[in-house]
Amino acid sequence: EAQVTQNPRYLITVTGKKLTVTCSQNMNHEYMSWYRQDPGLGLRQIYYSMNVEVTDKGDVPEGYKVSRKEKRNFPLILESPSPNQTSLYFCASSLSRAEQPQHFGDGTRLSIL
Amino acid sequence: AQSVAQPEDQVNVAEGNPLTVKCTYSVSGNPYLFWYVQYPNRGLQFLLKYITGDNLVKGSYGFEAEFNKSQTSFHLKKPSALVSDSALYFCAVRDPNTGGNNRLAFGKGNQVVVIP
Repeated sequence: EAQVTQNPRYLITVTGKKLTVTCSQNMNHEYMSWYRQDPGLGLRQIYYSMNVEVTDKGDVPEGYKVSRKEKRNFPLILESPSPNQTSLYFCASSLSRAEQPQHFGDGTRLSIL
Repeated sequence: AQSVAQPEDQVNVAEGNPLTVKCTYSVSGNPYLFWYVQYPNRGLQFLLKYITGDNLVKGSYGFEAEFNKSQTSFHLKKPSALVSDSALYFCAVRDPNTGGNNRLAFGKGNQVVVIP
C-alpha cells in the first residue's frame, strides 16, 4: 500500500530536549516536504527536499532542521524545542512534477512544555 | 506570492442538500489548484485538482469543483451531502512558475458539518 509514515504520532516533551520526527514514503517520490498545521492558519511549509541531499527552507524554517540521506526518508529535527513549536506536523511526498498531488502522512502532534 | 482564501470558518448543511465550500486564490501565473479533505486524526487526502482544460473537474467521493478564472475562484461542490462528508476541507494553490519547490499554499480550512 502506498503510504507516508510518520513517527511518533504523539509526543509530549520539555523545552530544550532534542527530538526527531521520522517520515518515510514507499512510493519512490523525489519530492518531500514538512508542514505544520495551526488553527486558523492552515498548513505552512517548514522545509522541503527535491531529491537526495537537496533540501531548502520553506515559509517557517526557524528552529527546525532536516536531512535527506535516502530517497525514502526525510526526518524533521528540533534541536532545542520551544513551546511555540507545539503544533500538528505533516510530512508529504509527491512526484517532482508540480501538477502531481501530494500524499500526506497521518500527522504528529507535538506538545512542548 | 501565491495565497488562498477560504472565507467561511464552518459550513453547515443538511444531509441530502447541496454542499458548497468556497475558495479564492491569488497567483501571478496560471494556477494549479487542489482540494484536500482531512478527517479527524488523519492526514490530508487528495480530492481533486485543476491543471488545465475543462473548468469543471470531478474528483473522489462525488465531489466536483469549478475553476473560474475571472473570479479567481475554485469552489468545491457536491450535489447531495452525506453525514460522512463532515470533515475539514482545504483548498491549495501552486504557482507553476516558481521553480522546483512543489510548495502548496493552503487556505485556513473549512469545517463542514452535515446535519442528519
